[in-house]
Amino acid sequence: EVQLVESGGGLVQPGSPLKLSCAASGFTFSSNWLNWIRQAPGKGLEWVASINPDGSSTYYPDTVKGRFVVSKDNAKNTGYLQMNNLRSEDTAMYYCASGGITWGQGVMVTVSS
Amino acid sequence: DIVMTQSPFSLAVSEGEMVTINCKSSQSLLSSGNQKNYLAWYQQKPGQSPKLLIYYASTRQSGVPDRFIGSGSGTDFTLTISDVQAEDLADYYCLQHYSYPLTFGSGTKLEIK
Repeated sequence: EVQLVESGGGLVQPGSPLKLSCAASGFTFSSNWLNWIRQAPGKGLEWVASINPDGSSTYYPDTVKGRFVVSKDNAKNTGYLQMNNLRSEDTAMYYCASGGITWGQGVMVTVSS
Repeated sequence: DIVMTQSPFSLAVSEGEMVTINCKSSQSLLSSGNQKNYLAWYQQKPGQSPKLLIYYASTRQSGVPDRFIGSGSGTDFTLTISDVQAEDLADYYCLQHYSYPLTFGSGTKLEIK
């Protein structure tokens, strides 16, 4: 079964770091782009990061550039999103997606004091 | 950045009716190289992660019912759902992946009367 499973979410204080993981199974993870998309409570979808299949190129919107780092370990079939200096506006459900087709179930990140 | 203007914000229809959702991009999404429009449509049912319906503006993803039809080119795109079913209750989003930053439309909430 083609599957992505996110983990690592939780409640953190503003300014704290947090690292999300995205475990892939059932498909060739190393051949696909990995994307992270988030959705604040009751809001729409926002693209957060992308990394190409071999991990050599990454892309971010200005809202997270310099604070978030996307990576992937093709040997472990796992992608990551390292989030630093978190802000209250980063509170959202975070989804990983392989290409644009397969999405995980999401993991909640809450930034609050 | 490419701005995606999606309309309407919400709509309510009875089963069996047809609905159209529109998405307008601030720049053309048509690649001169391969003549493909880099526009996708997603469906997000309550409590679920988004699901890809349409890619390249008009290509239906495998397994998606043929009542979902994507059309348009350049800057104007439409998702048509014919013979709406109760299971189509969801939020619908367009996404441009022509250039970074990737940008989503603001979403359309489809309600069933």
